[in-house]
Amino acid sequence: DAMVIQNPRYQVTQFGKPVTLSCSQTLNHNVMYWYQQKSSQAPKLLFHYYDKDFNNEADTPDNFQSRRPNTSFCFLDIRSPGLGDAAMYLCATSPGPSTDTSTDTQYFGPGTRLTVL
Amino acid sequence: RKEVEQDPGPFNVPEGATVAFNCTYSNSASQSFFWYRQDCRKEPKLLMSVYSSGNEDGRFTAQLNRASQYISLLIRDSKLSDSATYLCVVGSNDYKLSFGAGTTVTVRA
Repeated sequence: DAMVIQNPRYQVTQFGKPVTLSCSQTLNHNVMYWYQQKSSQAPKLLFHYYDKDFNNEADTPDNFQSRRPNTSFCFLDIRSPGLGDAAMYLCATSPGPSTDTSTDTQYFGPGTRLTVL
Repeated sequence: RKEVEQDPGPFNVPEGATVAFNCTYSNSASQSFFWYRQDCRKEPKLLMSVYSSGNEDGRFTAQLNRASQYISLLIRDSKLSDSATYLCVVGSNDYKLSFGAGTTVTVRA
């Protein structure tokens, strides 16, 4: 089945130790997103790629970086995780802009739960 | 002001009851509207899109009021499996979505 896959599902890292989370998709969607979600809060958009174009949210810390080497894969790099970065990280995809607003629908991967010790 | 605001609940209802809740959005240029469902420690999953004329999907009915900038979700004949957090989601024309923090529904036997 076409889907959005995230690895690992659970990641434990030490304070300050770089970590990379991965996302892959078989939907062939143009847009890929990374969200951070903390308990009882809305998912917070960190950045997104429209094809190869990177779009950073204004309030995303420099500590968070992303790479999209091809259509299928997107990575989230956290250069120096702090205790406040412990959260669920969600990858999502969407087809991209068109006149049909249903293409705004985003499809989420299962998430990676990050713990920072 | 948050872009999308929801009553966090929880709404505790018995099986078979009807439960309804709203969300409001601040961007009058919003063009797409959705309800997502999120189970505890899982990813959000699309429940239904919301259309201007209102739409129904089984026991779920969604309404959109553009003039007052709110969206509603009604669940009829609640099942235990309907217990979840329901996220109100709004999109503009930049293929980004704004999420509410969610309304928690708990259906009890």
